Amino acid sequence: GAVVSQHPSRVICKSGTSVKIECRSLDFQATTMFWYRQFPKQSLMLMATSNEGSKATYEQGVEKDKFLINHASLTLSTLTVTSAHPEDSSFYICSATSFGASNQPQHFGDGTRLSIL
Amino acid sequence: AQTVTQSQPEMSVQEAETVTLSCTYDTSESDYYLFWYKQPPSRQMILVIRQEAYKQQNATENRFSVNFQKAAKSFSLKISDSQLGDAAMYFCAYRSIGGSQGNLIFGKGTKLSVKP
Repeated sequence: GAVVSQHPSRVICKSGTSVKIECRSLDFQATTMFWYRQFPKQSLMLMATSNEGSKATYEQGVEKDKFLINHASLTLSTLTVTSAHPEDSSFYICSATSFGASNQPQHFGDGTRLSIL
Repeated sequence: AQTVTQSQPEMSVQEAETVTLSCTYDTSESDYYLFWYKQPPSRQMILVIRQEAYKQQNATENRFSVNFQKAAKSFSLKISDSQLGDAAMYFCAYRSIGGSQGNLIFGKGTKLSVKP
């Protein structure tokens, strides 16, 4: 089956640091990737949708200057949390799908646990 | 906007027994997809079952089946012969058909415990 690799799986860093999370589709071309955030014991909340070669579409309330998303190729999307603060600590998970996004299954990465000290 | 509601924050079932997890949703669309995802403590999202709204037949996957009631906008998950490995968070999710986005809208989840 389709595999999505998300790296790193765990990050612990100091406040003010920028953190980059990578989401790679290993065996298919991901025209669309989604970035979700999950707080403890809560559901996944969509942060943004990125389509290869175009700017990401952010959900209401998500700061695009805070959470930079790049989807420069059909196999890689990155989420950069800029100048991270403790309130940015969360579980971030990506998913990827291919052509005709709404009719194709989404394949999830294993997530990244981000802890800001 | 579409919404997904899971009214059971926690459920418990005895091993080998059957349990049903509830999910309701709200939409004005006539065609869409519905999903159940399992998230074990490892936090990996695992697709359990998928239902296309235009199909009347309820989807089944081995011990997992759904009761899809389109008019009532209900999409419950039945787990038969529960196993210890079924213990996890279960999320119901909705996705529109058409358009270019296709993002999932999740319910708040139900934590399932399986007692030996």
